Amino acid sequence: DIQMTQSPSSLSASVGDRVTIACRASQTVSAYLNWYQLKPGKAPKILIHAVSSLQSGVPSRFSGSGSGSGTDFTLTISSLQPEDSATYYCQQTYSIPRTFGQGTKVEIK
Amino acid sequence: QVQLQQWGAGLLKPSETLSLTCAVSGVSFSTYYWSWIRQSPGKGLEWIGEINHIGDTNYNPSLRSRVTMSVDTSKNQFSLKLYSVTAADTAIYYCAAGQVWLVTWGQGTLVSVSS
Repeated sequence: DIQMTQSPSSLSASVGDRVTIACRASQTVSAYLNWYQLKPGKAPKILIHAVSSLQSGVPSRFSGSGSGSGTDFTLTISSLQPEDSATYYCQQTYSIPRTFGQGTKVEIK
Repeated sequence: QVQLQQWGAGLLKPSETLSLTCAVSGVSFSTYYWSWIRQSPGKGLEWIGEINHIGDTNYNPSLRSRVTMSVDTSKNQFSLKLYSVTAADTAIYYCAAGQVWLVTWGQGTLVSVSS
């Protein structure tokens, strides 16, 4: 199985801050890397697919990038908003089983 | 726009069978692979498997011996069965549309396993 490791596991930031979440794969996942947002009691939501493609309807303050190695990826929130309080997960769909990172909980100070 | 509505029994005893169904609307049933994911209490997300409209499946090897997924194209529904459940199977179960990425998710069903 490909292991997906996110860092940090949690963070607290102020409204307007730039927030960065890292995701590292134990082996290459090429560009098969997605980011999701989970809030309690709500259906999870896709933010970014294929490393950097912003899903339709997702605010442009969210962006994704990769190092080119196929193993290191980043989700960035350029200006944190109150409604961004959530847990964020990366996922690889390069191979079976499709695995997720352990999640990063983002709290608003 | 694809919409998913899921349902199923929320309380099971050990050794029973978990059974969940997800109804699809707003899109042709052949458009996507259909997936199941779960989130155990206080833990992260676990991919269970996926199925397409003609019944081709991919399962998580860790669950393969206990999982069956099926489709009913006449009703635009897909289903999950997980056999011989234990307390470790207590989780929120989600259905979702997609394979390479999960475009839309259902609202989730909390399934508790307790004697």
